[in-house]
Amino acid sequence: DIQMTQSPSSLSASVGDRVTITCRASQNISSCLNWYQQKPGKAPKVLIYATSSLQSGVPLRFSGSGSGTDFTLTISSLQPEDFATYYCQQCYTTPKTFGQGTKVEIK
Amino acid sequence: QVQLQESGPGLVKPSETLSLTCTVSGGSISSYYWSWIRQPPGKGLEWIGYISYSGSTNYNPSLKSRVTISGDTSKNQVSLELRSVTAADTAVYYCARNRRLRLGEFLYNWFDPWGQGTLVTVSS
Repeated sequence: DIQMTQSPSSLSASVGDRVTITCRASQNISSCLNWYQQKPGKAPKVLIYATSSLQSGVPLRFSGSGSGTDFTLTISSLQPEDFATYYCQQCYTTPKTFGQGTKVEIK
Repeated sequence: QVQLQESGPGLVKPSETLSLTCTVSGGSISSYYWSWIRQPPGKGLEWIGYISYSGSTNYNPSLKSRVTISGDTSKNQVSLELRSVTAADTAVYYCARNRRLRLGEFLYNWFDPWGQGTLVTVSS
């Protein structure tokens, strides 16, 4: 299985901050990498697919980059509604695997 | 707009079979792939497997010996069976549509939308 490792596991940030979350794959996954946001008690919601394609309706402050084994999710200016847990997921091969999550908390 | 709703028992005894149904509205199950994904309380996400629009399946090797995913086109439902459950199978179970996009020679895929999830507790 391809292992996905996110860092950090959690972070504290203030409204307006620029936030970066990284995701590393245990082998080359080309650009087949998705990002999800999950709020407490809710199902995950896709933010970005294929590394950098923004899902319809997702604010432009979210962006993704990377290729191969190293990927990044960036929130350009953190908003109150962005406090949540973020997961990366590789779509390169089965079994589909997720990172362990990054919890973004209010500072 | 496709919507998914999971249903099934919230409590299952150890060694028994967990059975869940995902009812799809706003779209046909014959048009997409559908996955089951689970999340133990306070933990991360684990992909269980998928069923394709033609009925073929692909399971996570970690669960393959105990899992069956099936589809009922007459009811527009996708079902999950997990046999011989233990406490380690306690989780919120989600169904999700697999979106697929071919760009060049590569087929990208992601989960959207997801159902609201249903908590299944394994306990005697």
